[in-house]
Amino acid sequence: DVKVTQSSRYLVKRTGEKVFLECVQDMDHENMFWYRQDPGLGLRLIYFSYDVKMKEKGDIPEGYSVSREKKERFSLILESASTNQTSMYLCASSRYTQYFGPGTRLTVL
Amino acid sequence: AQSVAQPEDQVNVAEGNPLTVKCTYSVSGNPYLFWYVQYPNRGLQFLLKYITGDNLVKGSYGFEAEFNKSQTSFHLKKPSALVSDSALYFCAVSPRNRDDKIIFGKGTRLHILP
Repeated sequence: DVKVTQSSRYLVKRTGEKVFLECVQDMDHENMFWYRQDPGLGLRLIYFSYDVKMKEKGDIPEGYSVSREKKERFSLILESASTNQTSMYLCASSRYTQYFGPGTRLTVL
Repeated sequence: AQSVAQPEDQVNVAEGNPLTVKCTYSVSGNPYLFWYVQYPNRGLQFLLKYITGDNLVKGSYGFEAEFNKSQTSFHLKKPSALVSDSALYFCAVSPRNRDDKIIFGKGTRLHILP
């Protein structure tokens, strides 16, 4: 079975803090994705990566950056967290089918 | 531009009755079609996928989906609903072999009434 894990289920941070969300997959997938999910807005793609050190912006990249130094790990970075980044963050990996991690519910105070 | 529509925000079904969650799409070519389920405070779980061939796709937990090319629909179905099926369901579509271009619907909340 595909396994995608995320570093935290729940996270509380303060405005202005630098936040790291980590995602690890064990299926040797080339593609990895970061989404945020908000009520009424569905899933919105932040960034995706199609190979190590390769990334592409999604629909809402502003305020975020990513890092993929190893194939199995894809990190989402909030350089300076703001309250409007309070959300559920979902990581996925894929080879033709996306498999999701359990999500990180981030609250920025 | 490709798009996915889930016309119902919420569907209520009595336990034991058949359920249908609707999905229509607009994508050129022969896309891949997916259904995912999300339980509260969890990530999305893959249910099933249509690639080609038989228009009725069977998936996890007794769910199936019917692909209709002429109506560009991919409705999710189950013959007999369980209370534990209550969750948020997402339809998604991607161009063939391009899951980086996947588009998700807004989701349909399914309530199964005991």
